[in-house]
Amino acid sequence: AQTVTQSQPEMSVQEAETVTLSCTYDTSENNYYLFWYKQPPSRQMILVIRQEAYKQQNATENRFSVNFQKAAKSFSLKISDSQLGDTAMYFCAFRETSGSRLTFGEGTQLTVNP
Amino acid sequence: EAQVTQNPRYLITVTGKKLTVTCSQNMNHEYMSWYRQDPGLGLRQIYYSMNVEVTDKGDVPEGYKVSRKEKRNFPLILESPSPNQTSLYFCASSRTGVRAVTEAFFGQGTRLTVV
Repeated sequence: AQTVTQSQPEMSVQEAETVTLSCTYDTSENNYYLFWYKQPPSRQMILVIRQEAYKQQNATENRFSVNFQKAAKSFSLKISDSQLGDTAMYFCAFRETSGSRLTFGEGTQLTVNP
Repeated sequence: EAQVTQNPRYLITVTGKKLTVTCSQNMNHEYMSWYRQDPGLGLRQIYYSMNVEVTDKGDVPEGYKVSRKEKRNFPLILESPSPNQTSLYFCASSRTGVRAVTEAFFGQGTRLTVV
């Protein structure tokens, strides 16, 4: 069974600075997808970024980028130029290529301070 | 607009009183699932369905039932709720298959309190 671990329950960053959220996972699969979801106070689950394991290039979406280290089974999220609206709970998630089930980490509560 | 609709968004009930949380999607997705979110535990899968009349247990199925009589609907049933089922619940849907779009769509969540 796959497991996903987020070792930082809480983090804070000053507005306009850069922050990195950590995620590690364990799987015996070679092909899979990794995701970061954002959950603001509204509770909505918002997909931030996704990475396909067979792609070596790290995914980027505007201010959000990942550092995907397949051998180390690490998938960190970097948020550049942090904004107050980035304050949210962030979840790392794993999905096998051949399946549909998502396995989530414990979550990291990020607070962006003015 | 593509969406997953959950109802109700908030619910307070008493121990033992049967309740149903509804979930409906308009994207013709085959796969639907229910998760519960608890502090420090992330989201854990309760039940899932690969298609109509096909359901299976996730990681924490005890105390829950589901049904999938129509492709668009996937209700979550608590026959006899207990306080340890107080949680935030999410319904999600997605396509299936290796070539399927990888994104899962989530409902807005249901905050359930059992007293």
